[in-house]
Order: sequence, then C-alpha cells, then structure tokens
Amino acid sequence: EAQVTQNPRYLITVTGKKLTVTCSQNMNHEYMSWYRQDPGLGLRQIYYSMNVEATDKGDVPEGYKVSRKEKRNFPLILESPSPNQTSLYFCASRPGGSNSNQPQHFGDGTRLSIL
Amino acid sequence: AQKITQTQPGMFVQEKEAVTLDCTYDTSDPSYGLFWYKQPSSGEMIFLIYQGSYDQQNATEGRYSLNFQKARKSANLVISASQLGDSAMYFCAMKWASKIIFGSGTRLSIRP
Repeated sequence: EAQVTQNPRYLITVTGKKLTVTCSQNMNHEYMSWYRQDPGLGLRQIYYSMNVEATDKGDVPEGYKVSRKEKRNFPLILESPSPNQTSLYFCASRPGGSNSNQPQHFGDGTRLSIL
Repeated sequence: AQKITQTQPGMFVQEKEAVTLDCTYDTSDPSYGLFWYKQPSSGEMIFLIYQGSYDQQNATEGRYSLNFQKARKSANLVISASQLGDSAMYFCAMKWASKIIFGSGTRLSIRP
C-alpha cells in the first residue's frame, strides 16, 4: 500500500529534550515536506526537500532541522524543543520536481506536546 | 508576497444542499496551482481537487468542482448535494515553484 508513515503518532516530552519524528514514504517520491498545523493558522511549511541531499527552508523553520540522506526518509529533528513547538505535525510527499502539479500524500500526523 | 485567504471559519449547511467554500489568493507569479484538501475529525489530509493557473476549464472531481476566477484571484470549492460525511475542515492551498501555502481552513458542518 502506498503510504507516508510518521512515528511517533503522539509524544509528550519536556523542554530541551532532543527528539526526532521520523517520516518514510514507499512511493519513490522526489519531494518531501514537513508542516505544522495550529488552530486558526492552517498548515505552515517547516522544511521541504526536492531530492536526496537537497533541503530548503519553508515559512517557519526556526527551531527545526531536517535531513534527506535517503530518498524514502525525511526525519524532523527538534534539537531543543520549547512549548511553542507544541503542535500537530504532518509529513507529506509527492512525485516530480518543482514544476510538478501532483498533489501531496500526507502522513497521519504526529501530535507533539512540549511541557 | 504570496497569500491565501479563507474568510469563512465555519459553515453550517443542510444535507443535500450545495455548498461553496471561499478561497482567494494573491501572487504575482503567472504559474501556480491551487489545491483543496479535506481534513475529517480523524485528522488525515485528503486531496480533493486541483486547478492549474493555465487550465482553461474549471476542475471537477465527482461532487467537487472548483470555481476558478483568475481575474478575481478566487478558487472556490463547490460541493454538490452535500452529505453528512462532508463534515470536516477544508483547506485551500496554493503552490508556486517548490513552495506551498495553506489557508486557515473552513470548518463545514452538515445538518441532517
């Protein structure tokens, strides 16, 4: 089954404790992206990657890191999480390059609570 | 700067009626794409429909159609014959080059 898999689905942690949210897709998609969803703000793009070893900042990259060492994986790293990073996070992927108009496939989301 | 606006935070509609969800956008780039996604209470994001800036015809997918008015920079989603299962959050999104931005969403509630 074609899918984007995020782990964990839920996480409660404390300020300053490094965490990683994993994202993996099995569709051989070039493009992958991370979003956070907050009430009244919709989804905001954190980082995106056009292909392996090619990542770029979205609209809200502060406090986050990503890497794309393999095509299928795109982990989101919070080196020193803070309470304002409490949010619902989505990973997404789509085929093609920057001109592709294919829709994104989304993971099921990760709900992070930073105390 | 690119911007996308959904002005209806919430809507109530009677079952079987048609509903229009508003979306306006702003961009100076001639090449862009507009997407609508549905997010039910379970949380997943479901792609509904796509319209490209150069597409001559309005997009349709089953009960969903996109009322694309380029000069007015609007891309409203029309759902015909609404069903109880249409109750969800709906997001409009605009893509240009490698970037995408989402609107703040409209929560649609269908009354039986």
